[in-house]
Amino acid sequence: GAGVSQSPSNKVTEKGKDVELRCDPISGHTALYWYRQSLGQGLEFLIYFQGNSAPDKSGLPSDRFSAERTGGSVSTLTIQRTQQEDSAVYLCASSIRPGGGQETQYFGPGTRLLVL
Amino acid sequence: DAKTTQPNSMESNEEEPVHLPCNHSTISGTDYIHWYRQLPSQGPEYVIHGLTSNVNNRMASLAIAEDRKSSTLILHRATLRDAAVYYCILISGSARQLTFGSGTQLTVLP
Repeated sequence: GAGVSQSPSNKVTEKGKDVELRCDPISGHTALYWYRQSLGQGLEFLIYFQGNSAPDKSGLPSDRFSAERTGGSVSTLTIQRTQQEDSAVYLCASSIRPGGGQETQYFGPGTRLLVL
Repeated sequence: DAKTTQPNSMESNEEEPVHLPCNHSTISGTDYIHWYRQLPSQGPEYVIHGLTSNVNNRMASLAIAEDRKSSTLILHRATLRDAAVYYCILISGSARQLTFGSGTQLTVLP
């Protein structure tokens, strides 16, 4: 079946511009997660959704970052007034239900964001 | 979540078994042990997980020490496509996000 898809696969933008990153989770998965991976760094948790609600926004690095999920499916991560330090690979994952030790997260291929 | 310790890198010859160790001495009774791997330029991929007993699936085996303070991911016959960063992660029942450490970079030599 179809896995997690993300678009665009690559995005180059100028400092100060806004960007939107999209994630299509696996059909039927209620939980959706956003992570980012800076060059040579580990994965950093940003936010997760249970349905359309985001119980945990603790990982968002600043108020320039926001995310929403509609219809319990597609999610959009928005970065306003991008900075060069926002350059990273943004990864989306989904799972049948949120968290707990028994759940497997399925990752998309990521969006590579470069802020010039 | 409790911390895990893995070697930074390991090498293996193609078609030989690989044993990737992970220490987690502060593991709690409800923590599951998960392994993910990340191939170059791809998102992480689930490999296997377990709680107390050893586990096998089509990708790998997971051997868990009796005291649960360490575990070993076993790739029975390494291929060049297994070259990746392997992450050992502990996940509690209440956790939602995965907390990735630095992982082990596995190099498979032809």
